[in-house]
Amino acid sequence: EIVLTQSPGTLSLSPGERATLSCRASQSFSSTYLAWYQQKPGQAPRLLIYGASSRATGIPDRFSGSGSGTDFTLTISRLEPEDFAVYYCQQCGSSPYTFGQGTKLEIK
Amino acid sequence: QVQLVESGGGLVKPGGSLRLSCAASGFTFSDYNITWIRQAPGQGLEWVSYISGSGSTIDYADSLKGRFTISRDNAKNSLYLQMNSLRSEDTAVYYCARSNFYFGMDVWGQGTTVTVSS
Repeated sequence: EIVLTQSPGTLSLSPGERATLSCRASQSFSSTYLAWYQQKPGQAPRLLIYGASSRATGIPDRFSGSGSGTDFTLTISRLEPEDFAVYYCQQCGSSPYTFGQGTKLEIK
Repeated sequence: QVQLVESGGGLVKPGGSLRLSCAASGFTFSDYNITWIRQAPGQGLEWVSYISGSGSTIDYADSLKGRFTISRDNAKNSLYLQMNSLRSEDTAVYYCARSNFYFGMDVWGQGTTVTVSS
């Protein structure tokens, strides 16, 4: 099983700042199968990034993804108030298709 | 519009059974794989099960094999999750999501809550 470890657990930043979220895998897999999701309280998750770096439909270009092998990053270039949420990475390269434990992005 | 709507959640006693449904609309249901994901209270997301568009390929989280059964009826645009021998640790919000290994899970339902308690 591929274990995804996200860091930090909580990230405290202010609107306008840059956020960098990490997702590290216990074994290498193709970046084709790495996705990022955003979840706000009481809502279902929303797809942000697929294939490690492709933005999903309707996702603002301040969101970007990068990485390969075992290290992946989600970057939010300039935080907007609506970006404060929990972010999950997920791999679909090898069953079980595991999620990271999440990074909570909170307002400082 | 493109939509998934879950139903069937509720309160069930340990050892009991429940069948969740996921109704799809706004897209050609049989063209898409569907995944069940769950989220225990205050916890992260957990991948539960997957079924291909035709229903020919099915997969489960190891901890759930033998207790949960995924199925679909493409004529009814519906997906199901039969959950047996339920335990307290199965308490969660259960989501269905339209999924693709390359393009991620791009459409999610609003979730249905399952509570296992005596």
